[in-house]
Amino acid sequence: AQTVTQSQPEMSVQEAETVTLSCTYDTSENNYYLFWYKQPPSRQMILVIRQEAYKQQNATENRFSVNFQKAAKSFSLKISDSQLGDTAMYFCAFMKHEGKGTYKYIFGTGTRLKVLA
Amino acid sequence: DVKVTQSSRYLVKRTGEKVFLECVQDMDHENMFWYRQDPGLGLRLIYFSYDVKMKEKGDIPEGYSVSREKKERFSLILESASTNQTSMYLCASRSGQVRGNYGYTFGSGTRLTVV
Repeated sequence: AQTVTQSQPEMSVQEAETVTLSCTYDTSENNYYLFWYKQPPSRQMILVIRQEAYKQQNATENRFSVNFQKAAKSFSLKISDSQLGDTAMYFCAFMKHEGKGTYKYIFGTGTRLKVLA
Repeated sequence: DVKVTQSSRYLVKRTGEKVFLECVQDMDHENMFWYRQDPGLGLRLIYFSYDVKMKEKGDIPEGYSVSREKKERFSLILESASTNQTSMYLCASRSGQVRGNYGYTFGSGTRLTVV
C-alpha cells in the first residue's frame, strides 16, 4: 500500500529565509503524481505545486520549488524568500491511477510552518 | 474565480442527530470528494463521486453516506451523529477530463462538533 510520510510536524523560518519541508512516500508504481498543498489559517486548502513522476525536471512555481528524487522516493518543498503569508499547514500528497478512470490519492499528515517576522 | 462552497463553517449538533453537510462547486467538475481532517492524521477520504448519481466508499465510510443528485452538489450525511465524528470536514472537486491536471479545488471546510 502507498504511504506518504511528513516527518516534521512543525517548522519555523525567519522572514526572507529559505525553508525546506520534507516528504517521503512508498510505492511500487512507476507512474504517479505528487503534490504540495497549502492550508492557511483561513482553512481553504490550495494547490501549491505538482510533479509528474515521469518528468525528471523539478517543478517550480515562483518562490516554491521541489526536489524530486524518484529513486529515493523523496519529494521535498523548498520555499525561498519566505513571507508571512506562507504561514500555513502544508500537505504532501501522492496520486496514482487505478484503472477504469479511477485513481488513488493519499495525503501526508502535514507540516505546520510558521514564518517569523 | 472557481469555487467550492461548503454551506457552513461551524456546526454544533447533538449525538444521534442526522446531519447534512452540503458542498457546491461551480466549475462543472465531474469528480467530488469528502474528507475529514484530524490533527496528526492528515486527510482521510470518506466518500467520493466520479459523476452524478455515482458514489464510492473511501477509506473511512462507516457512519456516513452521500448523495449526488446534481453534478454541482455533493452532500455528506451523518445518519446518527456521534462524538467521534467531531472533526473538520473538507469537500473537494476536480475535473475528470483535464489530462495531466489532477489537483483538487477545496472548500473552506466545516468544523463539526458533536456534543
